[in-house]
Amino acid sequence: SQTIHQWPATLVQPVGSPLSLECTVEGTSNPNLYWYRQAAGRGLQLLFYSVGIGQISSEVPQNLSASRPQDRQFILSSKKLLLSDSGFYLCAWSAQGTGRGYTFGSGTRLTVV
Amino acid sequence: GQQLNQSPQSMFIQEGEDVSMNCTSSSIFNTWLWYKQDPGEGPVLLIALYKAGELTSNGRLTAQFGITRKDSFLNISASIPSDVGIYFCAGHDIIQGAQKLVFGQGTRLTINP
Repeated sequence: SQTIHQWPATLVQPVGSPLSLECTVEGTSNPNLYWYRQAAGRGLQLLFYSVGIGQISSEVPQNLSASRPQDRQFILSSKKLLLSDSGFYLCAWSAQGTGRGYTFGSGTRLTVV
Repeated sequence: GQQLNQSPQSMFIQEGEDVSMNCTSSSIFNTWLWYKQDPGEGPVLLIALYKAGELTSNGRLTAQFGITRKDSFLNISASIPSDVGIYFCAGHDIIQGAQKLVFGQGTRLTINP
């Protein structure tokens, strides 16, 4: 069966520090991968999606970037965090071409101080 | 762009009551999904709807896909404390070759003891 792993679960980082959140999927190949941010426990905002290795699409301009160095690995990064980057970050995957829904990771709570 | 309007935003009910929430869209979606999110966790898929007019049940949950493919409702019967959380509707589309979900803003369900 397919599983999605996301870490760390919580993170407290100072303003101006770098960020790296990692997400990996097991039990499937060539998945679509997604990064979402959720502020204040409401609303899921799509940040990035990827349909293949090295293919990244950004939904909104921001202080973050994403990379997909391997088929089942998706990384969310920042060179210098802002206070406004605080939030709950969720990774998700879906199977290509099936029209079936996403499966989410358990999320990372990021607090920028 | 595509938007989903989910209502109500919040619900405060007594244990044992039935719950109803709905979602409407200005666009047609081929698939509607309902997710539940517990505090500090990623959303978990509850019900997926693939055909216009489809009525699907999952235990005490019932969801229907509107005939026009622009709306859906979710009902929860005989609510229990573990039903507390945020419920999201989502419409599925394929944009630029990638599957994407457009989410509603969520319905926060609180159950009074």
